[in-house]
Amino acid sequence: EDQVTQSPEALRLQEGESSSLNCSYTVSGLRGLFWYRQDPGKGPEFLFTLYSAGEEKEKERLKATLTKKESFLHITAPKPEDSATYLCAVHGQGYQKVTFGTGTKLQVIP
Amino acid sequence: GAVVSQHPSWVICKSGTSVKIECRSLDFQATTMFWYRQFPKQSLMLMATSNEGSKATYEQGVEKDKFLINHASLTLSTLTVTSAHPEDSSFYICSARTNVNSGSYQPQHFGDGTRLSIL
Repeated sequence: EDQVTQSPEALRLQEGESSSLNCSYTVSGLRGLFWYRQDPGKGPEFLFTLYSAGEEKEKERLKATLTKKESFLHITAPKPEDSATYLCAVHGQGYQKVTFGTGTKLQVIP
Repeated sequence: GAVVSQHPSWVICKSGTSVKIECRSLDFQATTMFWYRQFPKQSLMLMATSNEGSKATYEQGVEKDKFLINHASLTLSTLTVTSAHPEDSSFYICSARTNVNSGSYQPQHFGDGTRLSIL
């Protein structure tokens, strides 16, 4: 069974203080690893898909990287509007569904 | 692109009534749709997966007679909560993905959720 573990559970940063969120996974044949952002009372918003180790994707202040065991979401010089819960999910071979982690709740203080 | 619209966003109803939630993909063909339930401060719990034109596949512990799912077209899926009771109160979220013209596995795109409150 696929497993996803995200750390830390919660992270509080000062505005401009860069950091990284971790997503560790075990999966039988990775078909895709996904990062989402979820604001309170909203559905998750798609950020990135990573397919193979070594791959990197960037969007504004966010950069996602992937190894064979984990993915990182790097946040550079965050702003208060980056505050949200960030979810990681994996899709393994043989399954139609993805497995979600429990998320990292990020709070960026002005 | 990849917009999923979910309606209604919020509903309150009396115990014993049935509630229908709609999920539409606005700009892509949703070959597969998913329904999730999310409890406060918890992650997403998959309820069922449906492919267009096929019966939904329910996760273990989800009552298929209670949560009726229809995925009759490539742009619309509905979830009907039948004879709803207070314990069914929750945040329900749908998602959709496409297999069309995709050499790689495409991500799910989510609606904004429906807050269901049963009195």
